[in-house]
Amino acid sequence: EVQLVESGGGLVKPEGSLRLSCAASGFTFSRYSMNWVRQAPGKGLEWVSTISSHSDYIYYADSLKGRFTISRDNAKNSVFLHIDRLTAEDTAVYYCTRDLSLGMPGGFDSWGQGTLVTVSS
Amino acid sequence: QSVLTQPPSASGTPGQRVTISCSGSSSNIGINTVNWYQQFPGTAPKLLMYSDYQRPSGVPDRLSGSKAGTSASLAISGLQTEDEADYYCAAWDDSLNGWVFGGGTKLTVL
Repeated sequence: EVQLVESGGGLVKPEGSLRLSCAASGFTFSRYSMNWVRQAPGKGLEWVSTISSHSDYIYYADSLKGRFTISRDNAKNSVFLHIDRLTAEDTAVYYCTRDLSLGMPGGFDSWGQGTLVTVSS
Repeated sequence: QSVLTQPPSASGTPGQRVTISCSGSSSNIGINTVNWYQQFPGTAPKLLMYSDYQRPSGVPDRLSGSKAGTSASLAISGLQTEDEADYYCAAWDDSLNGWVFGGGTKLTVL
């Protein structure tokens, strides 16, 4: 069974930074692209970033470029999201998702339970 | 403002057929496939439909997807109370080099 477990969320002050982690199990992690998707309280889904299976290609949402860094460690079956210069607008549940395709981005077929990031002084 | 446009709400009575639309452009829906996600309050979204009309294992066949040009639709027939949820469409956008979502449609079963 595919399992994705996020961690690292919490209360952070504005201008602070945070590193989110996602531990994957139940599948061959190194074969799949991985993604982060976020959802602000009461709002819709927003794609954040995608990293290919061997980090060959990385994509970020235009509005988030420069502050977000996605990475992965295939030896540890983990994907990470580092966020710098946090603002209140980054307050959201951050979901780790697995891509349904082994090639080009195909969509999100498995989701973690999410980790809540709250940015407030 | 979402790149893909969905109606904010939809409703129907048990047994009815409901359709949720998703409108995009030539850089997303027009050239890439559409996925649909279902989300219940307080839970993570779930993939409901991929590649326009493919159903993942476990999704009943009373749900169907379609696409024409730069618009896509999710149809739910034989509406059930447990279908009450938020529904999101998504597609890869070649101009933005990223995924774009619709704003979501809240489906109410009256």
